[in-house]
Amino acid sequence: GQQVMQIPQYQHVQEGEDFTTYCNSSTTLSNIQWYKQRPGGHPVFLIQLVKSGEVKKQKRLTFQFGEAKKNSSLHITATQTTDVGTYFCAGPWENMRFGAGTRLTVKP
Amino acid sequence: SQTIHQWPATLVQPVGSPLSLECTVEGTSNPNLYWYRQAAGRGLQLLFYSVGIGQISSEVPQNLSASRPQDRQFILSSKKLLLSDSGFYLCAWVPSGSHTQYFGPGTRLTVL
Repeated sequence: GQQVMQIPQYQHVQEGEDFTTYCNSSTTLSNIQWYKQRPGGHPVFLIQLVKSGEVKKQKRLTFQFGEAKKNSSLHITATQTTDVGTYFCAGPWENMRFGAGTRLTVKP
Repeated sequence: SQTIHQWPATLVQPVGSPLSLECTVEGTSNPNLYWYRQAAGRGLQLLFYSVGIGQISSEVPQNLSASRPQDRQFILSSKKLLLSDSGFYLCAWVPSGSHTQYFGPGTRLTVL
């Protein structure tokens, strides 16, 4: 069945460094979503990507959807302590599967 | 505005005891509803989803069941809890015509 794989599982960075998490699917995705879960909290929707090669930005966050629509990435520029949490990719909405998540910790 | 509620927030139950977790959504009608389980430090496992009253789809065969007695109410149940049922249970809803999942605050279940 469809699987959504996410790497790395953990990432520890110094504040100000960049961070990237990658999401790969075994099948072509019609769309993909990204969520953030703060420690002790619940996942919160960040963005949805639909088009092949799509790039969207939210302040320091850049989301990309691969040309083949089988992979996606989330890049954070100059991380801050408020970026701490676990980032999940998920998709497609018709048959939602979540990646295992990448847990980001930031050292001040 | 729309809100989603889950209770209880935390629960400690002995092995073999029954379970009932409730999720309600306010301010909307005919939402799609979902139950997920998240083991400590792990990803989200979809357990059940519902597109309408009395319509339940199960993703993972296990000792859990779900029911949707009302449009905005989703219940997760078990007759006998197992140790492996421990985890963070999240309810989510998707507005009609949307694809974004909005999660409730979750229930932390510990089975001893």
